[in-house]
Amino acid sequence: GQQVMQIPQYQHVQEGEDFTTYCNSSTTLSNIQWYKQRPGGHPVFLIQLVKSGEVKKQKRLTFQFGEAKKNSSLHITATQTTDVGTYFCAGPGSTDSWGKLQFGAGTQVVVTP
Amino acid sequence: DGGITQSPKYLFRKEGQNVTLSCEQNLNHDAMYWYRQDPGQGLRLIYYSQIVNDFQKGDIAEGYSVSREKKESFPLTVTSAQKNPTAFYLCASSIGQSSYEQYFGPGTRLTVT
Repeated sequence: GQQVMQIPQYQHVQEGEDFTTYCNSSTTLSNIQWYKQRPGGHPVFLIQLVKSGEVKKQKRLTFQFGEAKKNSSLHITATQTTDVGTYFCAGPGSTDSWGKLQFGAGTQVVVTP
Repeated sequence: DGGITQSPKYLFRKEGQNVTLSCEQNLNHDAMYWYRQDPGQGLRLIYYSQIVNDFQKGDIAEGYSVSREKKESFPLTVTSAQKNPTAFYLCASSIGQSSYEQYFGPGTRLTVT
């Protein structure tokens, strides 16, 4: 079945530095979503990408969907302590058109001041 | 965020007991989902429901049961047949067909001893 993989699993970042986390799917995706889960909290929807090569920005966060629609990335510039958490990507199940998502294992981000 | 409530936040049970986790949403969403999250891991789908009185097994349904008698409610029962029930349980909802953005509840942390 479809698999969604994220790398790295852990990311230690110095405050002020940039970093990128990657998401790869074994199949072509109709769309991809990113969620953020703060420590002790629940996942919160960040963004959805639909078009091949699409790039969207939210302040210091830049999301990109690959040309083949099988991979995506999240780039954070000038990391702040508020960026701490786990970032998940998720894509629709390959045979599903009803909103069921396959989540990656997430990238846990730790920010050191 | 918001619109989905889960109770209780923390739940402790003895091994061999069934326990039911509550999930209620006031977003008028058609689809609802139950996920299990283990420490340092992603979200695994237990059950999902696209419409009232209908639900389907997810990737790890064994030892769990659900019902969907009302649009706003999707309770999950963790039965004594579930071998490793201790986990963080998250309920989510989405508008339904063609919409994949999921809204999560605050979660219930279940500990079985």
